[in-house]
Amino acid sequence: EVQLVQSGAVMKKPGESLKISCKGSDYGFTSYWIGWVRRVPGKDLEWMGIIYPGDSDARYSPSFRGRVTFSVDNSITTAFLQWSSLEASDTAIYYCVRRGITISGVAEYFYDYWGQGTVVTVSS
Amino acid sequence: QSALTQPASVSGSPGQSITISCTGTSSDVGGYNFISWYQQHPGKAPKLLIYDVDTRPSGVSSRFSGSKSGNTASLTLSGLQTEDEADYYCSSYTDINNLEVVFGGGTKLTVL
Repeated sequence: EVQLVQSGAVMKKPGESLKISCKGSDYGFTSYWIGWVRRVPGKDLEWMGIIYPGDSDARYSPSFRGRVTFSVDNSITTAFLQWSSLEASDTAIYYCVRRGITISGVAEYFYDYWGQGTVVTVSS
Repeated sequence: QSALTQPASVSGSPGQSITISCTGTSSDVGGYNFISWYQQHPGKAPKLLIYDVDTRPSGVSSRFSGSKSGNTASLTLSGLQTEDEADYYCSSYTDINNLEVVFGGGTKLTVL
């Protein structure tokens, strides 16, 4: 069964760094884009960006470019989302998602599997 | 202001049908057939229900169906069951702001 399993909830202080993870299993990890979606309490889901594990090609939403970094470690089929300096406004639930593909292997614009979410709390 | 507009809540009785709307613009819902719908129960990860406007993934009940007219997409649930009580989100590809997709604000379905 395809699964995306994310790292656990974390509490950090403003200015600290953080790296959260998303481990994919039971599918060809390098063949599917992995995206990141944020939900700030009381607000909408926001698309942060996406990375292709096959070649680490990454695309960022303008709202997040320069603030976060996506990476992958294919040897452990895991994607990462990291911050170098957290802010209180980064407090949110972060989901990793697998981008669906067509039968012919063309990437689509829906997410067929979601991680369980990682709660990030940034507070002094 | 959500990128895609959904009603905050809808309700229905077991066995009834309900429809949830999702209104966007010609830059997203109206311009492309990359509409998807997700169901989320409290404390759980969202689950894909519909993609490409009206396609159900394997394993999703045929009680869920999707459609689109102009700038508005719709999700219809027929034969409501108590386990359908959840939050529902729409999503669409968008050609603005270098984003890939935008989401609706979500609709809370209550099964009375």
